[in-house]
Order: sequence, then structure tokens, then C-alpha cells
Amino acid sequence: GAVVSQHPSRVICKSGTSVKIECRSLDFQATTMFWYRQFPKQSLMLMATSNEGSKATYEQGVEKDKFLINHASLTLSTLTVASAHPEDSSFYICSARDAGTSGGVEQETQYFGPGTRLLVL
Amino acid sequence: DAKTTQPNSMESNEEEPVHLPCNHSTISGTDYIHWYRQLPSQGPEYVIHGLTSNVNNRMASLAIAEDRKSSTLILHRATLRDAAVYYCILSRGYQKVTFGIGTKLQVIP
Repeated sequence: GAVVSQHPSRVICKSGTSVKIECRSLDFQATTMFWYRQFPKQSLMLMATSNEGSKATYEQGVEKDKFLINHASLTLSTLTVASAHPEDSSFYICSARDAGTSGGVEQETQYFGPGTRLLVL
Repeated sequence: DAKTTQPNSMESNEEEPVHLPCNHSTISGTDYIHWYRQLPSQGPEYVIHGLTSNVNNRMASLAIAEDRKSSTLILHRATLRDAAVYYCILSRGYQKVTFGIGTKLQVIP
């Protein structure tokens, strides 16, 4: 299967600093990547959809000025948490879509990165 | 979004088969059924997907009801490494995917 990497895997920072998380598709090109956030014992919550070469589409309630997404190439998307605060502490997961067509119907399979654990003190 | 319904949790004995159900009564004709699983502190892992016919791969089998309103993920011999949260998701074309709470599978040695 397709491989998606994330870096760093874990980060601890002081309140007020900015944190950048990278998401890479290693063996396929991804025109679309997704960013999720997961709090303990909860499911994944979609934050935004990142399209290569265009602005990201944010889900309702997600501040675009706080969670800055850049998708400059077909294999790399970055999420920057600006001025992070303790409530931003969470598990951040990216995914990349490997699209194909089967039986005349377009379908997608998402491949997920291993996640980044952010702890803001 | 077409929604799915899964039991919150299930238990299985090690080395026995596991059948994880998923209901998706509002599925449309172009929705694919995807299954992912998530181990603790890891990102979700793709397991299998299908449209109408049953599917097999090295990880699992997917049985899809004839009316497509339900499906079952089958792990043929559960191991301790299969303990995870299993998500059943409908995916249509390029639409975004929404995760429910999934089924937490506990494997008993």
C-alpha cells in the first residue's frame, strides 16, 4: 500500500510558539491531502482539505489563521499551528488520497500518516 | 454524508474469526465501502474496500450485503495485534470522508 509519513512524530513546545508539521506521500502523488485532529478517546475530526496549488478548505469551526496549511507540491503538505496554546494539544494526523477509477466510478482510498503528538505547555 | 452505524465494542478470542458489522442503509450507488483500523497512538491503517462484490486481501475479507445496506469485515484468525478501533466509512468519488466512533475490538488471549 501507499506510504505517508509525518514529521515530527512528537513535539513539546511552550505556549505561544508556532509548530510546523510535515506530511509527505512517499510513493505516490497526492493532489489532495487531509488534516485531522484527534483528542483522547475520540474519533478523528477533519480539520481541512489541502489541495496542491490552491488554498485549503477548512471545516466549520476551524480557524484558518491559526491552522495554516500549505500544499506546495504533489507530495508535501504542511500544517502550522500558530501561537499554540495548551488547548491545541492533540494528535494531528494527515492523509493523502490515492485516486483511481474502477468500473467507471471514481473512488478514493486515503492513506494516513502515523500522526504527530503535540503537547503545548 | 451517508452515515454508518457500528457497535461500539466487540470481543474475540485469539485465533478465532471475527465478524465486524456495519450498517449503511442510506448508501448510494456510487459509495464505496472502506474499512480502516487504528491502533493506539497511530494513524489509521487501510484494511480493505469494496463496491458490490465481496473482497479478499491478505488482511481481511469484506462481505457486502446484496442490497448494500450493510457489510461485514471478517478477520479470519484474530491475533493480539488485531486489537484496534475499526472504522467503516462510505466514500464517494472525491468527497471528503467523515469518521464515526468505530468499533473497538478487544482480542482475548
